[in-house]
Amino acid sequence: NAGVTQTPKFRILKIGQSMTLQCTQDMNHNYMYWYRQDPGMGLKLIYYSVGAGITDKGEVPNGYNVSRSTTEDFPLRLELAAPSQTSVYFCASSSGRSNEKLFFGSGTQLSVL
Amino acid sequence: DAKTTQPNSMESNEEEPVHLPCNHSTISGTDYIHWYRQLPSQGPEYVIHGLTSNVNNRMASLAIAEDRKSSTLILHRATLRDAAVYYCILRDADRGSTLGRLYFGRGTQLTVWP
Repeated sequence: NAGVTQTPKFRILKIGQSMTLQCTQDMNHNYMYWYRQDPGMGLKLIYYSVGAGITDKGEVPNGYNVSRSTTEDFPLRLELAAPSQTSVYFCASSSGRSNEKLFFGSGTQLSVL
Repeated sequence: DAKTTQPNSMESNEEEPVHLPCNHSTISGTDYIHWYRQLPSQGPEYVIHGLTSNVNNRMASLAIAEDRKSSTLILHRATLRDAAVYYCILRDADRGSTLGRLYFGRGTQLTVWP
């Protein structure tokens, strides 16, 4: 199984540019998450989704947008990139049951210059 | 939402046991305790989870205090490959849509010396 797949692995953006980070999972999980991790810091929850068509904000949603049109995909959109968005972004998924584990993607390293 | 508190860093020598503590004094009766670890330049990976009883798997053991306000992840014989950041989080089965809000703190950076 592929698990959780994130693309691209690396990206450099100029200030003001926009881009979409892709995340797809093949485990039929209802719950999906986007986290960012700044150097030397823990994971901060950006957005999450509990199913197709349902999304909600996490701790640090400003500057980002998400959509969930299918169970498999949960893209993260940056509309006007800023240097403060330089970070590593992780997507994760789970079945949603509290005794089930999360599966993480390998991350996207984003630099905004 | 219930939060967890972990030491910022811990050290161990190779092949010695490691006990990584986590405090979760506001845990509710339906919260599961999960542990994840993050190796350098990788995404977090699942280690172990439990509700009330101690748990063992091939990676580690989880010891849960009787009042459930703290837990300890036990690596029985640390190896160099166990050097990572270890996160303790709570997953609640009984909070409807807020079940989605899974918060990770900074975790504990484990250094293993050869």
